[in-house]
Amino acid sequence: EPEVTQTPSHQVTQMGQEVILRCVPISNHLYFYWYRQILGQKVEFLVSFYNNEISEKSEIFDDQFSVERPDGSNFTLKIRSTKLEDSAMYFCASTADWSYEQYFGPGTRLTVT
Amino acid sequence: GQQLNQSPQSMFIQEGEDVSMNCTSSSIFNTWLWYKQDPGEGPVLLIALYKAGELTSNGRLTAQFGITRKDSFLNISASIPSDVGIYFCAGRLTNTGNQFYFGTGTSLTVIP
Repeated sequence: EPEVTQTPSHQVTQMGQEVILRCVPISNHLYFYWYRQILGQKVEFLVSFYNNEISEKSEIFDDQFSVERPDGSNFTLKIRSTKLEDSAMYFCASTADWSYEQYFGPGTRLTVT
Repeated sequence: GQQLNQSPQSMFIQEGEDVSMNCTSSSIFNTWLWYKQDPGEGPVLLIALYKAGELTSNGRLTAQFGITRKDSFLNISASIPSDVGIYFCAGRLTNTGNQFYFGTGTSLTVIP
């Protein structure tokens, strides 16, 4: 069964450093998303991406965040200068163009020290 | 952001019992999704609902899109130990956007 994959599974970085989280969405999906989940809390929407541009973003997704689809398979989330409060699980999700059923990857645990 | 409240916050039940949980909001939603999340993993989609009043089943799971469009319900029949996890609802507000708001979660523990 097709699935969303994410790398790395765990990333530790120092405050102020840049990180790039990578995702490979399901191959025939056209909508891509990033969510984050702070430990013990609910899942929060960050951004959606369609047709090579951001379609929606939340107030969490400020100028420190950016997304990119550098090729036909990868979808990345970049945090330019990490802060302690960026520590969370980051989930990538994707949907087919005809469905709102979002399928999530296993997540990347980001720890900012 | 939108607030989706799930209740109960946690449940401890005996294996074989039925489970009911709900998700409520002050806003009207057009789509509801129900997910299960195991520790350290991503949410897994269980059921999707698209119309008010819709009742959809997936094995032992049944979910309903509330008539008011401000709530949704999930029932699990004859619970088993692998049902343990956190159940999240997620709602989409508009017909054009793809942003989903997640609920606060219901933690389910099944006692063998």
